[in-house]
Amino acid sequence: GQQVMQIPQYQHVQEGEDFTTYCNSSTTLSNIQWYKQRPGGHPVFLIQLVKSGEVKKQKRLTFQFGEAKKNSSLHITATQTTDVGTYFCAGHQAGTALIFGKGTTLSVSS
Amino acid sequence: SQTIHQWPATLVQPVGSPLSLECTVEGTSNPNLYWYRQAAGRGLQLLFYSVGIGQISSEVPQNLSASRPQDRQFILSSKKLLLSDSGFYLCAWTRGTSYEQYFGPGTRLTVT
Repeated sequence: GQQVMQIPQYQHVQEGEDFTTYCNSSTTLSNIQWYKQRPGGHPVFLIQLVKSGEVKKQKRLTFQFGEAKKNSSLHITATQTTDVGTYFCAGHQAGTALIFGKGTTLSVSS
Repeated sequence: SQTIHQWPATLVQPVGSPLSLECTVEGTSNPNLYWYRQAAGRGLQLLFYSVGIGQISSEVPQNLSASRPQDRQFILSSKKLLLSDSGFYLCAWTRGTSYEQYFGPGTRLTVT
């Protein structure tokens, strides 16, 4: 069945360093979504990418969708302690429910 | 604006006891509704989803069941809880399968 793999599982950085999480699907996706879950909280939608090769930015966050629509990445520039949490990608294939990756948990030390 | 509610926020139940978790959505009609479970430090496991009243799709065979008695109400139930049912249960809604999902605050269930 469809799988969405996400790496790394955990990442610790010093405040100010960059961070990237990668998402790979076994099948072509119609779109990919990214969510953030703060410790003790629930996932919150960040962004959706639909087009092949699409790049979107939200302040220090840069999201990319691969040309083959099978992979995606989230890059955070100059991390802050407020970036702490687990970042999930979720892939959608036409006619199927959204499939979530297992997430990357980011910790930031000041 | 749309709001999603879940209750209770936390629950401690003995093994073998029944379970009923409720989720309601306000401010929208005919939403797609989802139940997820998240084990401690783990990803989201889709349990059930519903595209309409009385329509339930099960993703994982287990001792849980779901019902949708009203358009904006989604209920997760169990007749007899297992220790492995412990986790963080999240309800979510979306306008359609290709749209973003909005999660409720969740219920932390501990089965003892």
